[in-house]
Amino acid sequence: GAVVSQHPSWVICKSGTSVKIECRSLDFQATTMFWYRQFPKQSLMLMATSNEGSKATYEQGVEKDKFLINHASLTLSTLTVTSAHPEDSSFYICSASWTGPGETQYFGPGTRLLVL
Amino acid sequence: AQSVTQLDSQVPVFEEAPVELRCNYSSSVSVYLFWYVQYPNQGLQLLLKYLSGSTLVKGINGFEAEFNKSQTSFHLRKPSVHISDTAEYFCAIMKTSYDKVIFGPGTSLSVIP
Repeated sequence: GAVVSQHPSWVICKSGTSVKIECRSLDFQATTMFWYRQFPKQSLMLMATSNEGSKATYEQGVEKDKFLINHASLTLSTLTVTSAHPEDSSFYICSASWTGPGETQYFGPGTRLLVL
Repeated sequence: AQSVTQLDSQVPVFEEAPVELRCNYSSSVSVYLFWYVQYPNQGLQLLLKYLSGSTLVKGINGFEAEFNKSQTSFHLRKPSVHISDTAEYFCAIMKTSYDKVIFGPGTSLSVIP
């Protein structure tokens, strides 16, 4: 199956700093990518939908100025957590839309963020 | 609005016993259905998916699920579980690949030796 990578796999940062997470579709092009967040012992919740060449669409309650999303190419979307705080500590997972046969979404391995 | 319900938050089962994890969904349109497994401190792994065709779907690691349109259910089964099956299991639906995947709250499967 198709592969989606995320970098870094984990990151620890100080409160107030910004962190960038990359999501890449390695062997296919994805016009649409999604960013999810998973808090401990909870399910995945969509944060935003990222479309190549256009502005991201954010879910209700997600601050667009805090979570900056850029989808500059058909294989790369980035999520930047600006001025991170301890409450932003979470597991961030991206997915990329596959529209070929067996339409589905492929998920990345996730990025664990810990803000101290 | 679409939603996914997993009635059992925790399911303990003895090793080599059968298990069924329940999933019900609500949607006004046809959806694709998925089961994912998440091992501790890891990402999601796709167990199986239903897109169309036969309502009995076989997946990896000996799991299977049956789509029941009238009951809007997609229960996951395994005839004999192993210790290594201990993990969190998520049922999910998707309208199209351009739409978000909606996850259920998850079921924690604990296999007891």
